[in-house]
Amino acid sequence: QSALTQPPSASGSPGQSVTISCTGTSSDVGGYNYVSWYQQYPGKAPKLMIYEVTKRPSGVPDRFSGSKSGNTASLTVSGLQAEDEADYYCSRSYPGSNNWVFGGGTRLTVL
Amino acid sequence: QVQLVGSGGGVVQPGGSLRLSCAASGFTFSSYGMHWVRQAPGKGLEWVSFILYDGSYKSHADSVRGRFTISRDNSKDTVFLQMNSLRAADTAVYYCVRDRHGNYAFDYWGQGTLVTVSS
Repeated sequence: QSALTQPPSASGSPGQSVTISCTGTSSDVGGYNYVSWYQQYPGKAPKLMIYEVTKRPSGVPDRFSGSKSGNTASLTVSGLQAEDEADYYCSRSYPGSNNWVFGGGTRLTVL
Repeated sequence: QVQLVGSGGGVVQPGGSLRLSCAASGFTFSSYGMHWVRQAPGKGLEWVSFILYDGSYKSHADSVRGRFTISRDNSKDTVFLQMNSLRAADTAVYYCVRDRHGNYAFDYWGQGTLVTVSS
């Protein structure tokens, strides 16, 4: 089960944009559009923010967007707000895979 | 609204067993696959197990295969995780999670139940 690589931390000032990366391989992230992103506050359950690389579930602000280039998927948070300070995890699976894999997580700090 | 309520966690000695339950409501349980995902204290998320909507397919992470078994009872809208031969490394909050069918994502999470393996 190959891991996904995320930077341990990211930061930005209110109103700015921040991008968090998630790097896999050509066999998973690069080969399929099944990367999802989760937001987690301390002591709380994670929440789905992005699925299938770019899609937002109902209720997720459009300040959150996803993209992919090659083997790296990215989550961009635009117009940073204090409430965006949390841990963010990417995840991948794909047709024919018998497992799901998470990245190590990125702590986003709003300065 | 979708609710997933986990139970069964607690303190168990190494080598012991525990059975987690997760009661679902607010959606047609028998139409959705379900996962267990865990998070060790201060660590990241780790996928543990998946079961298809009808129980016909199951998958487990390498770290728990042969020790943990996922199952479900669609008549009771409940998914289970039987955990045997527990190790200290299994200490974590265990989340029951609904599968976002067809999208390979986790769309609703339970509140989590803590399992502590310690002598």
